[in-house]
Amino acid sequence: NAGVTQTPKFRILKIGQSMTLQCTQDMNHNYMYWYRQDPGMGLKLIYYSVGAGITDKGEVPNGYNVSRSTTEDFPLRLELAAPSQTSVYFCASSRDQGYEQYFGPGTRLTVT
Amino acid sequence: AQTVTQSQPEMSVQEAETVTLSCTYDTSESDYYLFWYKQPPSRQMILVIRQEAYKQQNATENRFSVNFQKAAKSFSLKISDSQLGDAAMYFCASPWDYGGSQGNLIFGKGTKLSVKP
Repeated sequence: NAGVTQTPKFRILKIGQSMTLQCTQDMNHNYMYWYRQDPGMGLKLIYYSVGAGITDKGEVPNGYNVSRSTTEDFPLRLELAAPSQTSVYFCASSRDQGYEQYFGPGTRLTVT
Repeated sequence: AQTVTQSQPEMSVQEAETVTLSCTYDTSESDYYLFWYKQPPSRQMILVIRQEAYKQQNATENRFSVNFQKAAKSFSLKISDSQLGDAAMYFCASPWDYGGSQGNLIFGKGTKLSVKP
């Protein structure tokens, strides 16, 4: 099983550009999450979804948008990239609330 | 703001010895789940152990065990018979109280564990 996959693995953006980080899971999980991890810090929740068509904001949603049209896919959209969005982004999924979250390998994004 | 505190930024342990990583949290939930995740240099987040707060018994997974003190909101991780492969960042996670789902987590800043041969 592939588990949770993320693309791309690395990306450099110029200030003001936009991009979409892709996330796909093949475990039929209802719950999906996007986190960011800044250097020397833990993960912070950006957005989450409890099922197809349902999304909500996490701790740090500003500057991001998400959609969940299928159970498998949960893309994260960055509009007007800023240097403060330089980070490693992780997507995760879980069977239900309170269960193990399975993480993707992460995307390292640099905005210059 | 809600926080998860890992008071030891770095720890070191001799191979085959035991080490304990500390964690305190401040959720207002009564029934919840706590987690320890490991992040090796590969950057992959790996679940180490999960504790259900309504269970009195401390969770164990092979060489990994927790000391869960619900009243004190303390959740420490004990690693016995440490191995070189245990070297990694370890993150404690508790529920985030402000979302619409109990599945949302808030993470500590992590403890970097080194294992000396």
